[in-house]
Parts: sequence; structure tokens; C-alpha cells
Amino acid sequence: GAVVSQHPSWVICKSGTSVKIECRSLDFQATTMFWYRQFPKQSLMLMATSNEGSKATYEQGVEKDKFLINHASLTLSTLTVTSAHPEDSSFYICSAWTGLENNEQFFGPGTRLTVL
Amino acid sequence: SQQGEEDPQALSIQEGENATMNCSYKTSINNLQWYRQNSGRGLVHLILIRSNEREKHSGRLRVTLDTSKKSSSLLITASRAADTASYFCATDAVYGNKLVFGAGTILRVKS
Repeated sequence: GAVVSQHPSWVICKSGTSVKIECRSLDFQATTMFWYRQFPKQSLMLMATSNEGSKATYEQGVEKDKFLINHASLTLSTLTVTSAHPEDSSFYICSAWTGLENNEQFFGPGTRLTVL
Repeated sequence: SQQGEEDPQALSIQEGENATMNCSYKTSINNLQWYRQNSGRGLVHLILIRSNEREKHSGRLRVTLDTSKKSSSLLITASRAADTASYFCATDAVYGNKLVFGAGTILRVKS
């Protein structure tokens, strides 16, 4: 199956710093990439939809100035958590969609962010 | 917003038994998918069932879909300790591609 990678797999940072997370589709081109957030023992919550070459579409309640998304190519999307605070600590997962009709999304392994 | 609900929230069974998880959703869908997540890891796609399908099999997995009741079930037969994980259903709306995830079922298979 298609492979999606995320980097880094985990990151610890100080409050107030910015953190960039990369999501790459390794063996296919992704028309669309999605960013999810997951708190412990909870389900995935969609944060934003990212299309190559256009602005991301954010879900209600997600601050676009705090969570900057860039989808510069068909194989790379980045999520930057700006001025991170402890409440931003979470598991961030991306997925990539080929745009094919069956709508199967391929998920990255996730990035664990801990803000001190 | 999350629209799916799953039950049970947690399920503990012995190895060799069958595990059944249910998922309900609220709006019309295009597809319904089941994913598995091991603790602290990413999601693994298990099976996709289209809105015009009623049942689908893949190995030890059997998925049913009842669009009239807006519900789906995932059956894992002859469970193994390695099946211990969280299982999520996810739906996408007609003509859309966003996935909306259910709350998930935590399955523990005891050996």
C-alpha cells in the first residue's frame, strides 16, 4: 500500500517556540492532505484540509494563525504550530488522499508533540 | 465535528473469541471505512465499504453496513492477542472527501 511518512516522530519544545511537522507521501502524489489532532484516549479530530498550491481549509474552532499549513508540492505538506503552549501538546497525524474515487486515505505514523 | 459513535467503548475478550464493534453515524455517506490504531501509532486501514454495499469480508474481518439504520459493524473472528488495539470507523459524506471519525472502541484480547 501507499506510504506516508511524518517527521519528526516526536518533539519536545519550550513554551513559546514554533514547531514544524512534515508529512510526505513517499510513493504517490497526494491531491489532498489532511491534518488531524488526537488527544489521549480520544478519537481523531480533523484540523484542516490541505490542497497543493492553495490555502488550507480549516475546521471550525481551529486557529489558522496558530496552525500554519503549507502544501508546497504533491508529496509534501507541513504543519507549523506557532508559539506553542502546553495545551497544544497532542498527537498530530496527517493523511494523504490520491483523489481516486474510493476515497481511501493513507495515514502517517503521527508526531507526538510535548510542549513544556 | 465528530459525528460517529461507537460501541462498546471498550471490549475485553479471550483469544480465539470473536469481537464485534458497532458504529453509528448521522448523515448520508459515500463510504465507511474501518481503521486500527495501536497505542501511540498511526492508523492502519482495514476495510472500506461503499454505501451501496451491505457486507464485505477481508481475512478474519467482516464488515456490515445498514444505511437505513446508519450503522456499521466490524466483526473480528478468532481474535488474537495481536488484535489488541483501538478501532475507529470513519465516514465521508457524499461528494466529499473529509473523513469523520467515530469515538473508537478499545479492544483488548487476552491470551
